[in-house]
Amino acid sequence: DAMVIQNPRYQVTQFGKPVTLSCSQTLNHNVMYWYQQKSSQAPKLLFHYYDKDFNNEADTPDNFQSRRPNTSFCFLDIRSPGLGDAAMYLCATSISVRRYTDTQYFGPGTRLTVL
Amino acid sequence: AQSVTQLGSHVSVSEGALVLLRCNYSSSVPPYLFWYVQYPNQGLQLLLKYTSAATLVKGINGFEAEFKKSETSFHLTKPSAHMSDAAEYFCAVSGYVNFGNEKLTFGTGTRLTIIP
Repeated sequence: DAMVIQNPRYQVTQFGKPVTLSCSQTLNHNVMYWYQQKSSQAPKLLFHYYDKDFNNEADTPDNFQSRRPNTSFCFLDIRSPGLGDAAMYLCATSISVRRYTDTQYFGPGTRLTVL
Repeated sequence: AQSVTQLGSHVSVSEGALVLLRCNYSSSVPPYLFWYVQYPNQGLQLLLKYTSAATLVKGINGFEAEFKKSETSFHLTKPSAHMSDAAEYFCAVSGYVNFGNEKLTFGTGTRLTIIP
């Protein structure tokens, strides 16, 4: 089945220690998104890739970076995690024909704990 | 700018009873509206979406929603609740604001509990 895969499902890191979260997709979608979701809150878009074109949200901290080496993979790098970065990180994809009507397909998420 | 308000962060219904989850939107452009469901420790899954065709939209698992422009609402309903419906439900809005700014804006979610 075509799907969005996130690894690992649970990640524990130490305060200030860089961490990378991984997302892969078999849907062959052009757009990949990263969301941050804190407990009992709405998912918050961090950035997205439209093919190789990176689009950062204005309020995304510089501490968060992303890489997309090919169509299938996208990574979220947190350079110096703080306690406030503990959250569920969701990866999503969509076809880019008309982005505002597209369904986004979500992975299961990676829950990040910062000690 | 676009926004979504979900009335009621927690809703409890008895098994077999009507489910009604409320969503009101605000948008300066024609809106496209979505309902997503999130089960514990899982990602979001699309239930249904409105994209300017029929105002009554049917989705998966027996859910449906009606777009009412005059009320700026897109409430989610299901005639008979099942235990497996217990989850978090998110309403979201998007629309063509300008090129490169067509992001999905989510509401804060409604946690649905089903009482046996």
